[in-house]
Amino acid sequence: GAVVSQHPSRVICKSGTSVKIECRSLDFQATTMFWYRQFPKQSLMLMATSNEGSKATYEQGVEKDKFLINHASLTLSTLTVTSAHPEDSSFYICSARSWEGHGEEAFFGQGTRLTVV
Amino acid sequence: GIQVEQSPPDLILQEGANSTLRCNFSDSVNNLQWFHQNPWGQLINLFYIPSGTKQNGRLSATTVATERYSLLYISSSQTTDSGVYFCAVGVNALIFGKGTTLSVSS
Repeated sequence: GAVVSQHPSRVICKSGTSVKIECRSLDFQATTMFWYRQFPKQSLMLMATSNEGSKATYEQGVEKDKFLINHASLTLSTLTVTSAHPEDSSFYICSARSWEGHGEEAFFGQGTRLTVV
Repeated sequence: GIQVEQSPPDLILQEGANSTLRCNFSDSVNNLQWFHQNPWGQLINLFYIPSGTKQNGRLSATTVATERYSLLYISSSQTTDSGVYFCAVGVNALIFGKGTTLSVSS
């Protein structure tokens, strides 16, 4: 299957600073990528859809000025958590769909565990 | 938006037992996938199955799209099968159910 790589896997930052998370499709091009957030013992919640060359589409309740998404190329999307606060601590995971011959299957990065102190 | 319901929420099994996990969804979709989330958070793709039946070793899955449900079967369960199983459906982005937490003891 296709490979989606996410970096960093773990980050600790101070309250008020910004953190950038990268999501790369390694062996396919992705015009659309997706960002999710997962709190402990909960499911994955869709935050936004990242569109190459255009603005991201955010889900209701997600602050677009806090979670900046840039999809500058067909293989890279970035999520920047601006002015992070402890309540932003969470597991962030990205996804992209790849045509695998039987349909557009979604593949996920390894995730980024963000801790804001 | 699309609603995804998984059942049961928790499942405790003895090694060697069989189990069935269910996923109901509210709207027509072109993508349905089953995942196993490992302890480090990585989502492992189990099945891409918007319709029909597939098998992979001890695991198999069936989706009846017209009735909007999917089933994941685990046979002869092993302790390594423990973890959270997610069903996710969608047309563009995937929407996740709340998952089934499976615990297999030896």
